[in-house]
Amino acid sequence: QKEVEQNSGPLSVPEGAIASLNCTYSDRVSQSFFWYRQYSGKSPELIMSIYSNGDKEDGRFTAQLNKASQYVSLLIRDSQPSDSATYLCAVRFSSGSARQLTFGSGTQLTVLP
Amino acid sequence: EPEVTQTPSHQVTQMGQEVILRCVPISNHLYFYWYRQILGQKVEFLVSFYNNEISEKSEIFDDQFSVERPDGSNFTLKIRSTKLEDSAMYFCASSVTGDNEQFFGPGTRLTVL
Repeated sequence: QKEVEQNSGPLSVPEGAIASLNCTYSDRVSQSFFWYRQYSGKSPELIMSIYSNGDKEDGRFTAQLNKASQYVSLLIRDSQPSDSATYLCAVRFSSGSARQLTFGSGTQLTVLP
Repeated sequence: EPEVTQTPSHQVTQMGQEVILRCVPISNHLYFYWYRQILGQKVEFLVSFYNNEISEKSEIFDDQFSVERPDGSNFTLKIRSTKLEDSAMYFCASSVTGDNEQFFGPGTRLTVL
């Protein structure tokens, strides 16, 4: 069974610090990885996608992918109180025409002012 | 910036009643999806839709569920006879192609009494 695992947290960091969020997945042939942010009672909001090994930076966010270790992470630099949310890791497991995303349970992040 | 829209934002229904949840995907997107999230749980895939037919569905998407694209803009999810356990947030998402990022609508909160 294809699984996406995340530490549920909560993770607390002080304002201005780096927040590090981690995700592991079960299928070695997975191709596409996504980070979403979800505020309480709201829908998932796409932050970043990453498709190949290495780092991908977008503003204060950096996604890191290591397919050999089946591991993807999200770093948030200069964390702000407005970053306080649940961060969802999602994986598209490659299987023929499969397009569905499999989500982890999310990591709750709190940035303390 | 274009976005996915969903109506209604909240639907309350009696067990056994039919409900139709509506979505307007982003206009140039070709793939459409429904996900659901039971309170406190993971986001779960229900169904994907492309070229006017279902391309994949999960075990959750049984005979009580159906999807339709009745016109050039709307995408609907029908639950024929609602159960208490259908109470959840239902999210519509769309993507340009099956390999691209999926963008989520604001969701419909379905409460079955």
